[in-house]
Amino acid sequence: AQSVSQHNHHVILSEAASLELGCNYSYGGTVNLFWYVQYPGQHLQLLLKYFSGDPLVKGIKGFEAEFIKSKFSFNLRKPSVQWSDTAEYFCAVTRGYSSASKIIFGSGTRLSIRP
Amino acid sequence: KAGVTQTPRYLIKTRGQQVTLSCSPISGHRSVSWYQQTPGQGLQFLFEYFSETQRNKGNFPGRFSGRQFSNSRSEMNVSTLELGDSALYLCASSLVEANYGYTFGSGTRLTVV
Repeated sequence: AQSVSQHNHHVILSEAASLELGCNYSYGGTVNLFWYVQYPGQHLQLLLKYFSGDPLVKGIKGFEAEFIKSKFSFNLRKPSVQWSDTAEYFCAVTRGYSSASKIIFGSGTRLSIRP
Repeated sequence: KAGVTQTPRYLIKTRGQQVTLSCSPISGHRSVSWYQQTPGQGLQFLFEYFSETQRNKGNFPGRFSGRQFSNSRSEMNVSTLELGDSALYLCASSLVEANYGYTFGSGTRLTVV
């Protein structure tokens, strides 16, 4: 069965620090990968997604993620975080090239930014 | 275009009661999925509906059920509520398949007392 692991439960950074949130998935076939963000009191929003092609994916608000197939990883990065990036971040995976596929989410990483 | 709309936003129910939650997907979206979000378990997949048929189901007891109407609106029902059912219930819609990502609603916060 597919699963997603997010290694960091809670990350605390100062403004302008660089961010990297880890995500590993377990599935040997073709996958589609996502990062979602949930700002306090708001609904889940899609940050970025990977389907195929360039393994470095650019998303909204300066976020990017790199798909490393050999490591089954899809880590999220941002060179310089802002206080407004305080949120919970979820990595998610679904099988590629397969209809009716559900999205499996990681347990989430809470990011707190100190002003 | 309007987003995914979930009603009600908040609910307080007593153990043993039943509850029905509603979700209206984005216009044109035919797939509706439901998730349960809790602090300890994260987002757990409940089920997915497409063209009024349940296509996928998670590992929840039979007390959790759902349906989808011809206009793609979906309802989720939980019978014989337990304290552990307290959670944020999220609805997500997509055009056809989950592969392309979801658009989420704001959720219904259910508290069972």
